[in-house]
Amino acid sequence: QVQLQASGPGLVKPSETLSLTCTVSGASMNNYYWTWIRQPPGKGLELIGYVYYSGSTYFNPSLQSRVTISVDASMNQFSLKLNFVTAADTAVYYCARGSDCPTCYSFPRWFDPWGQGTLVTVSS
Amino acid sequence: DIVMTQSPLSLAVTPGEPASISCRSSHSLLWSNGYTYMDWYLQKPGQSPQLLIYFGSNRASGVPDRFSGSGSGTDFTLKISRVEAEDVGIYYCMQAIQTPWTFGQGTKLEVK
Repeated sequence: QVQLQASGPGLVKPSETLSLTCTVSGASMNNYYWTWIRQPPGKGLELIGYVYYSGSTYFNPSLQSRVTISVDASMNQFSLKLNFVTAADTAVYYCARGSDCPTCYSFPRWFDPWGQGTLVTVSS
Repeated sequence: DIVMTQSPLSLAVTPGEPASISCRSSHSLLWSNGYTYMDWYLQKPGQSPQLLIYFGSNRASGVPDRFSGSGSGTDFTLKISRVEAEDVGIYYCMQAIQTPWTFGQGTKLEVK
């Protein structure tokens, strides 16, 4: 059974870089999209972006200029970096596995499973 | 971006009774290949979201058959045939036809 576990600092100072890692266990990373999604307190879900196991990426245009997502399949991990954070980046950050299927046409059409989520607070 | 609008935002249901949640999108979610790129997720209290339905009506592995998804184009419905106590949480719809994927604002289900 595949499991995802996000880890990283829970507190980041404004203008600095948020860095999170998601460790995947129970399955190979091959042939899936590895995804970051966030949820600000009391608000809805927002797709940050994803990386295919081969390394190709997609980022939400609203965050594109500040985001990097990378994968290290040999370590069964993928990572998120978000630069120049502000209080608006305070959120629970989830990692998730995105589908790959014949009718998905090179996009993750659903996310399953999700990791447990990690709260990152941006504050001085 | 495609806007996903859910209704109601909250509902309280007696165990054993049915429940229905609506999701409307600002753009058709039906692709030319006949597939509908739309999912439903449930976020139980204190947990991360879990996939319930993909392609609009396909139940994910392990999801009880009391959950069903239906609809086409821009109007979709998640139905629970007989609500159980474990069904409490926030239900989200998500569109996966036009980047960036976007989510509805959520519907909170309480069990009376």
